[in-house]
Amino acid sequence: KAGVTQTPRYLIKTRGQQVTLSCSPISGHRSVSWYQQTPGQGLQFLFEYFSETQRNKGNFPGRFSGRQFSNSRSEMNVSTLELGDSALYLCASSLEIVKTTRGLWDTEAFFGQGTRLTVV
Amino acid sequence: GENVEQHPSTLSVQEGDSAVIKCTYSDSASNYFPWYKQELGKGPQLIIDIRSNVGEKKDQRIAVTLNKTAKHFSLHITETQPEDSAVYFCAASRGSYIPTFGRGTSLIVHP
Repeated sequence: KAGVTQTPRYLIKTRGQQVTLSCSPISGHRSVSWYQQTPGQGLQFLFEYFSETQRNKGNFPGRFSGRQFSNSRSEMNVSTLELGDSALYLCASSLEIVKTTRGLWDTEAFFGQGTRLTVV
Repeated sequence: GENVEQHPSTLSVQEGDSAVIKCTYSDSASNYFPWYKQELGKGPQLIIDIRSNVGEKKDQRIAVTLNKTAKHFSLHITETQPEDSAVYFCAASRGSYIPTFGRGTSLIVHP
């Protein structure tokens, strides 16, 4: 079973440019989440998509956007890049939440290798 | 929202020793607590997880304990090996698809 695939692995962009990152989830996974990882802030949640709809959003400016396609593949876009956007961007995919008599249970998130974005 | 504190930020041990990483969480409704291992140049990989209906779970040299009353959970690695060297993250969530992660612990195992 193929894992989560992120492309490209590395990117170098100039301030003011925009960038699009791609994520292909594990087959059958309909939830795709995006995270920004930096040494100072750790793993910061960007947004989560399920069945082509953004279901959750973190505290990032509107320059960060995303979308999900009918095959569950997802893209995230960052416009007007700033030096501070340099980070490892991680995508994770999950199965549907499990509903039990005890409540809602999250399922395991599988991460991709990430895209290392450097803004110069 | 949920807040997860993780300690220590760096842990250095000798090969064969045990390592313990601790996390506390703030939201009493959190019910899923995964631990991830991230090696250099790779994405985080789940190594063990625990749900709020159990207090302990073990998988070979790795174990996780959960104290719901105190709202803390811990990762225990026994007989550490150099290949255990990595950054470990704890997380907490409650069926919302938005796990909150700790800041990470850099574990260094000296041969």
